[in-house]
Amino acid sequence: SQKIEQNSEALNIQEGKTATLTCNYTNYSPAYLQWYRQDPGRGPVFLLLIRENEKEKRKERLKVTFDTTLKQSLFHITASQPADSATYLCAPISNFGNEKLTFGTGTRLTIIP
Amino acid sequence: DGGITQSPKYLFRKEGQNVTLSCEQNLNHDAMYWYRQDPGQGLRLIYYSQIVNDFQKGDIAEGYSVSREKKESFPLTVTSAQKNPTAFYLCASTGYNSPLHFGNGTRLTVT
Repeated sequence: SQKIEQNSEALNIQEGKTATLTCNYTNYSPAYLQWYRQDPGRGPVFLLLIRENEKEKRKERLKVTFDTTLKQSLFHITASQPADSATYLCAPISNFGNEKLTFGTGTRLTIIP
Repeated sequence: DGGITQSPKYLFRKEGQNVTLSCEQNLNHDAMYWYRQDPGQGLRLIYYSQIVNDFQKGDIAEGYSVSREKKESFPLTVTSAQKNPTAFYLCASTGYNSPLHFGNGTRLTVT
């Protein structure tokens, strides 16, 4: 069965450093990999999507990589700020709107001032 | 503004009662999803629907039921058969080549 694992439940990073979150998947060959941010008591919000033929995608201080050989995506936040503290979720997908969509377990990131 | 609305934000029920959670979207999305989230846990898929009048079970469908009579609406009923219904419930929708849009959730407490 499909399995999606994110590196750790919780990650503490000093402000200003780069935070790196990992998403590994098995028994799956997604065409896309999505990353979402979730704040306490709120629904997740979409951040970035990367396609299988893209190695890297950037948006402001965010960078995502996608290695289909390793079956892994890395999510980086550079120059991290306390406001980046949240839970981050990954979700591999092949067909938007046309499949069961499951998420990784999530990583709770805390940026320490 | 387009969006997805879940109501109510907080819901309290006595054990043994069925309860229905509302989810409405005006994004013209075909697909809709229900997830459950327990404290400190990830999202687990309950049911999803790709088109009106059709829906499929997710990973934890037991004790839940859904309907999809209209494109805009995907209500979830938590039945008395659900052993541990207290949780945070999230509804989402998506269209072609579109990421998921989530509502802000309903926190259900059953005592």
